[in-house]
Formats: sequence, C-alpha cells, structure tokens
Amino acid sequence: DAGVIQSPRHEVTEMGQEVTLRCKPISGHNSLFWYRQTMMRGLELLIYFNNNVPIDDSGMPEDRFSAKMPNASFSTLKIQPSEPRDSAVYFCASSSPQPGLASQGNEQFFGPGTRLTVL
Amino acid sequence: AQSVTQPDIHITVSEGASLELRCNYSYGATPYLFWYVQSPGQGLQLLLKYFSGDTLVQGIKGFEAEFKRSQSSFNLRKPSVHWSDAAEYFCAVGGGYQKVTFGTGTKLQVIP
Repeated sequence: DAGVIQSPRHEVTEMGQEVTLRCKPISGHNSLFWYRQTMMRGLELLIYFNNNVPIDDSGMPEDRFSAKMPNASFSTLKIQPSEPRDSAVYFCASSSPQPGLASQGNEQFFGPGTRLTVL
Repeated sequence: AQSVTQPDIHITVSEGASLELRCNYSYGATPYLFWYVQSPGQGLQLLLKYFSGDTLVQGIKGFEAEFKRSQSSFNLRKPSVHWSDAAEYFCAVGGGYQKVTFGTGTKLQVIP
C-alpha cells in the first residue's frame, strides 16, 4: 500500500512568492494533519481536518498560511507571500478510526515531508 | 493544557548497551501516549502506544515503554541498542479530539 504522499519533496523559492505544498493521505483515512518542523521550534501542529472539515487551525502561524482539503484524497497547504522564516520541513500525516478505540489513540502515518527553503 | 517533556536533547550510547529515553507528560485524565521515531530525512514512524491495560507496552524493533501514572512518565527502553537505532525519538500525548502534542525529541547517537 502507498503511504502518505507529499509533493514536492524539496522546494526552493524566493521571498514573496506563493508556495503550495500537496498531500495525498492514505486511502480510507478520515483525518489529515499538517505539521511544521524546525530546529528552533521542533514539531508543530499547524492544522488538522476530520472528514475534510478543518477542526483546529490554531497552530497556523498567520494569515499568510492557508490549508484546504477539497476531498478525502487531497489537501494543500499554501503560503502567500512566503518569507525566509517559513523555511522548514512540512509534514502531512493521516489517521483512521479504529473500532473500539477512541480517536485520540489513533496512529498517525507521516509522509516523507517537504523541505521548503525561502531565500 | 496537555504537554510533553523530553529532558534529554541528545544521548550517546555504545552499540549493545541498554537504552532508556525519558518522557514526562501533563494531562488531566488518562492519556494516550505514543513514541515515534524519525530517521534522517524521513517522516515519523510509530514505535508503540499506550491507551489502557497493561502498563508495559511492547513495540516494534525491540522497544518497550512503561506507563507510570504516579510519576507521569512514559519512558522508552531497549535492552541492547543497534547502530540502526540512531535516530530522533519523539514522545507524544493525545487528548482532545484527534489532537496529539509532541515533545521536542531526543537524538540518539550510537557509537561502535
């Protein structure tokens, strides 16, 4: 089975440009998460969706960041305009409900990440 | 608010030696607890998790962790470390609907 797919794997852009990161969750998973990882701040949850609906976007740093999930098999994270401090690795993860287990216990499956460099 | 503390940023052990990575959590009820591993250039992979029952949890790759409610801890252990275990390890606590809080990670270096 294919795991979580992210594209591109690497992105280099200039300050002020729009950046779009893409994620395809594992088929059948109903929750999707976007994380950002930096040396300074570690792993931060930006936003997560359940059944394509954003549940908590309190981790989105500012209005320059937006995320969408138009259907169960695709999500995007957009940064417009990008800034050098946005340079990080961005991970997408997905999970599915398991019978007899509350949602908080679901394993998250992570994609390989997108390494973003904003010059 | 829930939180996770991993007090050791970096640990070095000799191959074949035992390993214990520390994790302390703060959560108002019985937590869901996880350990994930991240190899260089990769995403995170689940090693093991605890949500109820036996407080000693077995995971993949020979790892285990013990939930100690009185100490608010969920330490990860392995009796004999292999060079391939060199990676970064993240403890996490679950609470609220689908939201998981990760610790800052512990980088493990394995020397011959």
